[in-house]
Amino acid sequence: NAGVTQTPKFQVLKTGQSMTLQCAQDMNHEYMSWYRQDPGMGLRLIHYSVGAGITDQGEVPNGYNVSRSTTEDFPLRLLSAAPSQTSVYFCASSLQYSSGNTIYFGEGSWLTVV
Amino acid sequence: AQTVTQSQPEMSVQEAETVTLSCTYDTSESDYYLFWYKQPPSRQMILVIRQEAYKQQNATENRFSVNFQKAAKSFSLKISDSQLGDAAMYFCAYRSLWVGTYKYIFGTGTRLKVLA
Repeated sequence: NAGVTQTPKFQVLKTGQSMTLQCAQDMNHEYMSWYRQDPGMGLRLIHYSVGAGITDQGEVPNGYNVSRSTTEDFPLRLLSAAPSQTSVYFCASSLQYSSGNTIYFGEGSWLTVV
Repeated sequence: AQTVTQSQPEMSVQEAETVTLSCTYDTSESDYYLFWYKQPPSRQMILVIRQEAYKQQNATENRFSVNFQKAAKSFSLKISDSQLGDAAMYFCAYRSLWVGTYKYIFGTGTRLKVLA
């Protein structure tokens, strides 16, 4: 059982480049989400999804796109990278309808935009 | 919108002593879950404890316990008999149970240092 898998683990981008952070889970979780973690800012929700075909914005969605074509995958796209997007990104998933379910995190993706 | 506030950026505790981490939240919902997560230097997120809002009894997991005050919207974490392995960043989290959202909101974290 792999849990939540994020790729790549490290990436350096130039300003203006685009890229996709991949996230996959094999737990049949309805809820998937992306967070960014910055010093002193904690974990901020970028986008989330409560099922295939359904996505919604979190606290800091600007500059990012998501889609959810399958239950397993929830990629995060940076359309035109900016230095302000340098951060650690976490993908997380959870069962939606079961009570008390915890959220499972991937190992994080370190992104540097120069 | 729901918010979670952790007002202590950093805390220190002597090994074997007890420490309490504070968390307050704001919501208009009556039913929700609250969590404490631990993030060691490896950056892995580890569930420490969770609390259902409809339960008045405070959750306990071994050396970890919470003080849940629903009316005050307060959810503090008490760590007893602190160990060196408890040193980490601790995040308080709120999970909405509104149909169609179910999103998790995290606080800014408290870095706990354990002194030998």
